[in-house]
Amino acid sequence: SYELTQPPSVSVSPGQTASITCSGDKLGDKYVCWYQQKPGQSPVVVIYQDNKRPSGIPERFSGSNSGNTATLTISGTQAMDEADYYCQAWDSRRVFGGGTKLTVL
Amino acid sequence: QVQLVQSGAEVKKPGASVKVSCKASGYTFPSYGISWVRQAPGQGLEWMGWITTYPAYTNYAQKLQGRVTMTTDTSTSTAYMELRSLTSDDTAVYYCARVGSSLVDYWGQGTLVTVSS
Repeated sequence: SYELTQPPSVSVSPGQTASITCSGDKLGDKYVCWYQQKPGQSPVVVIYQDNKRPSGIPERFSGSNSGNTATLTISGTQAMDEADYYCQAWDSRRVFGGGTKLTVL
Repeated sequence: QVQLVQSGAEVKKPGASVKVSCKASGYTFPSYGISWVRQAPGQGLEWMGWITTYPAYTNYAQKLQGRVTMTTDTSTSTAYMELRSLTSDDTAVYYCARVGSSLVDYWGQGTLVTVSS
């Protein structure tokens, strides 16, 4: 079955740029979306179709996808961005990455 | 406004079944699919499958094939997920989410299912 690999944790200082990667075989041939989940809350989509932002998502969130790696980039990271982030792709079935805990310190 | 409201928490014994409901409002129910995702305590998200009404279609995660059934009731705009032969590994928060043509945009509040003897 298809697998997506994310780093377990990423740390960033406030105001800096955070990058979270998601790796999978020929991932660039598939659409990737990214979800943000804060403790005790349901996930929220922050990027879909590799690089599109749903309405209401700040411009500091962006995405890219090429080769075997998709990347979620958060520019000017704020304390409120501290959360777990999950990538998701569609193979014959949807699959999630293992999640990355973003710490803003 | 779009809302997905799920049924309340459940406690089940090993070997039992559970059926979680997800009532949609604020949009034309048959025009979107419903995806089910679960999250074990302290763990990541796990995609369980999804269902569309028109056309009728279901697609389940391989590991749950044979144990899970997803259905919809268009008369009440409600989606259901039934999971059978429960074990402690099925203890999790279960989410439903609306699936559009290009993104999964609205999520239910989650339903905690605890499997314990």
